[in-house]
Amino acid sequence: TQLLEQSPQFLSIQEGENLTVYCNSSSVFSSLQWYRQEPGEGPVLLVTVVTGGEVKKLKRLTFQFGDARKDSSLHITAAQPGDTGLYLCAGARSTFGDGTTLTVKP
Amino acid sequence: DAGVIQSPRHEVTEMGQEVTLRCKPISGHNSLFWYRQTMMRGLELLIYFNNNVPIDDSGMPEDRFSAKMPNASFSTLKIQPSEPRDSAVYFCASSLRGSSGKNIQYFGAGTRLSVL
Repeated sequence: TQLLEQSPQFLSIQEGENLTVYCNSSSVFSSLQWYRQEPGEGPVLLVTVVTGGEVKKLKRLTFQFGDARKDSSLHITAAQPGDTGLYLCAGARSTFGDGTTLTVKP
Repeated sequence: DAGVIQSPRHEVTEMGQEVTLRCKPISGHNSLFWYRQTMMRGLELLIYFNNNVPIDDSGMPEDRFSAKMPNASFSTLKIQPSEPRDSAVYFCASSLRGSSGKNIQYFGAGTRLSVL
């Protein structure tokens, strides 16, 4: 089983700040997905990265896949309260990391 | 499309009782997944089906858990007998698994199970 470690586990910031969360593994990913889960809801897919070194942008969110395809990061610029949620990375065979719980205070 | 529909949204039961969770996947999807989410263990894959056939049930914790998919539009996850440690949020997800290998899963809103 491919283990995915996410950090930090919890993050609380003020509106307008920037942040980066990480997803790491000792194994190589064939692809990696990032999800956001809001309280009382199921996870929603944000992005899939496939190629080493790939960078994808989704408005204020920037996703980067490591060159060796063993790690990934999610950077949020000028965070807003609506970004609050649990951010999960997922690898092959539907293996999920433990997630980063982000709270953005107004 | 209404998305993946799970029922009930909340279930409270007593230890030893049978619990049945239900899922209606998105129409046209050929893969269905059952997950369990807890604070301690995060989101864990229990079982997934492809074209109504169970492919990988290695995540099913014990024989008390069973899942069925009698047709493409319905699946159940049953716990019998239930125990307090089964308390969790159970998610169902569906996807259209094609030759490209992409696996975009769409999750339901989950069933919050409390076993007293």
